[in-house]
Amino acid sequence: EAGVAQSPRYKIIEKRQSVAFWCNPISGHATLYWYQQILGQGPKLLIQFQNNGVVDDSQLPKDRFSAERLKGVDSTLKIQPAKLEDSAVYLCASSFDLSYEQYFGPGTRLTVT
Amino acid sequence: GIQVEQSPPDLILQEGANSTLRCNFSDSVNNLQWFHQNPWGQLINLFYIPSGTKQNGRLSATTVATERYSLLYISSSQTTDSGVYFCAVLNSGGGADGLTFGKGTHLIIQP
Repeated sequence: EAGVAQSPRYKIIEKRQSVAFWCNPISGHATLYWYQQILGQGPKLLIQFQNNGVVDDSQLPKDRFSAERLKGVDSTLKIQPAKLEDSAVYLCASSFDLSYEQYFGPGTRLTVT
Repeated sequence: GIQVEQSPPDLILQEGANSTLRCNFSDSVNNLQWFHQNPWGQLINLFYIPSGTKQNGRLSATTVATERYSLLYISSSQTTDSGVYFCAVLNSGGGADGLTFGKGTHLIIQP
């Protein structure tokens, strides 16, 4: 069974530029999560989808971050404009349904200069 | 929100040694997972263990939900066990179920 796929794996941009990340969850998984992991810390939830609806986006900086999950499968996370403090690894995870075991993708390492 | 504390923060062992990693949490949980983050940053699922005991090869885990802690045991350590071990929990409050992670235990296994 294929795992969670993410792209790109690495991205370097200048501050005030925009960037987008893509995630394809495990087939059949209804719940999709985006986490941000800053160096030396554990991942922190940004947004959670159940099918194509948002369950929780309370930790998403909505003035610059946006995310969507059209058709309830793939998802994109966008940052516009990026700030230096957005440098982090962005992890996508999926689970069969709410409260089930979560599986993580390899992440996208973003560097903002 | 729920607090997750992991100990020790750092651990250096010789190959072949055994270790115990601890995770304390401040509220009741529906879900508890242990992950190993390898040097390339991939989070690898070790255990899904909201309660009870599980074993997988040289690794085992125990969660005592009533006392709000979980333990991860690694026996006969190998250099490939090096990395950061995270405990992550899901609060029982319902609704959104993003995991809350601890700060991790950084394990180094020396040959």
